[in-house]
Amino acid sequence: EVQLLESGGGLVQPGGSLRLSCAASGFTFSSYAMSWVRQAPGKGLEWVSGISGSGGSAYHADSVKGRFTISRDNSRNTLYVQMNSLRAEDTAVYYCAKSRGDSSGDHAFEIWGQGTMVTVSS
Amino acid sequence: QLVVTQSPSASASLGASVKLTCTLSSGHSSYAIAWHQQQPEKGPRYLMKLNSDGSHSKGDGIPDRFSGSSFGAERYLTISSLQSEDEADYYCQTWGTGIHVFGGGTKLTVL
Repeated sequence: EVQLLESGGGLVQPGGSLRLSCAASGFTFSSYAMSWVRQAPGKGLEWVSGISGSGGSAYHADSVKGRFTISRDNSRNTLYVQMNSLRAEDTAVYYCAKSRGDSSGDHAFEIWGQGTMVTVSS
Repeated sequence: QLVVTQSPSASASLGASVKLTCTLSSGHSSYAIAWHQQQPEKGPRYLMKLNSDGSHSKGDGIPDRFSGSSFGAERYLTISSLQSEDEADYYCQTWGTGIHVFGGGTKLTVL
């Protein structure tokens, strides 16, 4: 069964840091692009960061550029996002999502994790 | 700029059909999109990828009641024989080089 399991969320003070992890199983992890998507309380979905299957290309939304860094360890089938200089507006449920492809350009998110909550507050 | 636009809300009666719309921004009418469903208090669920020619690839276990179609820059999700569990938020997603974009979502109420 294809599965994504996020962890690492919690309460952090403004200006603090947090690293989220997403453990993947049931598919050849290195063959697919992956992303982080967040959802603030009562709001819609917002793409945060994406990374190619090899890890050679990474992208971030303007709202997090310079503060968040996405990475992956294909030997551990795990996706990460390092979040620094956190702000109150980063408070959200963070989901990892698997693209349908990688170099094919098919980036529909076909598998979603259950999400992990990040709260930025003093 | 790549943008997708959705109406904030829609409603239809139990057993009826409803058609939700996702509109791509100017210059992006050839782009594929994906539809996702988010039921209350749950995470998103992939419904289908929808191409500009109307062909689509549904996720595992998605009922035949869910179908997609395209016309120009518009992408549609049609849900027939509405059931109570179809009451949810529906998001469209598209992508380009190094970017993903979500629409604001449509909240579907089943009357």
